[in-house]
Amino acid sequence: AQSVTQLGSHVSVSEGALVLLRCNYSSSVPPYLFWYVQYPNQGLQLLLKYTSAATLVKGINGFEAEFKKSETSFHLTKPSAHMSDAAEYFCAVTNRREYGNKLVFGAGTILRVKS
Amino acid sequence: DTEVTQTPKHLVMGMTNKKSLKCEQHMGHRAMYWYKQKAKKPPELMFVYSYEKLSINESVPSRFSPECPNSSLLNLHLHALQPEDSALYLCASSGLLQSNTEAFFGQGTRLTVV
Repeated sequence: AQSVTQLGSHVSVSEGALVLLRCNYSSSVPPYLFWYVQYPNQGLQLLLKYTSAATLVKGINGFEAEFKKSETSFHLTKPSAHMSDAAEYFCAVTNRREYGNKLVFGAGTILRVKS
Repeated sequence: DTEVTQTPKHLVMGMTNKKSLKCEQHMGHRAMYWYKQKAKKPPELMFVYSYEKLSINESVPSRFSPECPNSSLLNLHLHALQPEDSALYLCASSGLLQSNTEAFFGQGTRLTVV
């Protein structure tokens, strides 16, 4: 069975500070990993994905994540937070299947950006 | 175009009503999904269709009935729902190759059962 643990249900940073959102996964086979962002009353937007190519993955809006197999981690970072980054972030894992990919999400981390 | 369109955006229904949620994508994806998201919780998978056939049903009650009329459309028929079924219902689509496993989500339908 696969699972994702997001450390910290709430993270608060100042505008311009480093953003670090933590994600650890558990998977018996090589995983596919994703980060999604959700703004209030909206759907999920894909930030970035890891699918066994480069371990450092760059996404949209200046976000990136590094896959570390030895630590079973896939933490999300952004060098400088903007007010518009305030949202909820979900880490998710799946194993690719020919009949469809079941995403298993972490509990989510709400990011607050202080001015 | 990476858009998944869901209608309606909001829906209020009584426990004896029958309603349907609709989802459309034009990315050529051959897998489509329904997820349910309760307040302050992550999305949870309900159904998966691949090549227009139901491939995964996560033990969802029969008052939820999915339908995939063609490769671009996905419906969720609702009947005799309970207040605890109130949630955000998200549709998603993805490819089935290693290169396009990522799921793209619609904006969701906010369902309230009264």
